[in-house]
Amino acid sequence: DTGVSQDPRHKITKRGQNVTFRCDPISEHNRLYWYRQTLGQGPEFLTYFQNEAQLEKSRLLSDRFSAERPKGSFSTLEIQRTEQGDSAMYLCASSLRGVGTSGGQALYNEQFFGPGTRLTVL
Amino acid sequence: KNQVEQSPQSLIILEGKNCTLQCNYTVSPFSNLRWYKQDTGRGPVSLTIMTFSENTKSNGRYTATLDADTKQSSLHITASQLSDSASYICVVSARKFSGGYNKLIFGAGTRLAVHP
Repeated sequence: DTGVSQDPRHKITKRGQNVTFRCDPISEHNRLYWYRQTLGQGPEFLTYFQNEAQLEKSRLLSDRFSAERPKGSFSTLEIQRTEQGDSAMYLCASSLRGVGTSGGQALYNEQFFGPGTRLTVL
Repeated sequence: KNQVEQSPQSLIILEGKNCTLQCNYTVSPFSNLRWYKQDTGRGPVSLTIMTFSENTKSNGRYTATLDADTKQSSLHITASQLSDSASYICVVSARKFSGGYNKLIFGAGTRLAVHP
């Protein structure tokens, strides 16, 4: 357990429905990231937040996708009018800004990943 | 174009045997290279992180090497266990001078199956 939690772990929905996922990062982490991972591939970057500000969005994030982090703590990712191509694992990760140290070891902005939300669109 | 390629795509070994996974990258400017282990249906968990000045790092039975000149890395697993069955993902971080976060470029992973 990395300390990052995601809810729900699994979601099955019908095409055209809206879905919302939640991510709770490690409490002292000010950066939060969303990724999408399809079967047999590595995660692909979707967006990231520093505190409550959304600082970067991938071109993968179509206008049907929206992410928020209203108080700089938990984040939500909403997909509107889901399509079958949205079926994937949605991963959240969190990190500290900048290179810090812990016990003498540099953290290298290490990202800690949550367990993911598996979305299936029927 | 920043890319990370891994080989083999999948691998089957017997319990107790050693194996080596490969990673080649074309990422610039390079910041660091990480190996993650991802169990089926779970998020990735970090095994090792190396900067360009580090050419080897160990974490228990896992040993990662980095050749920054040839842009190659390997992950060696010693005395494999059934619990080592997972995907191993090579991730290279590209430094972003504008002050933003260091972008992570993920490989597709090597799917390792350890059989009894």
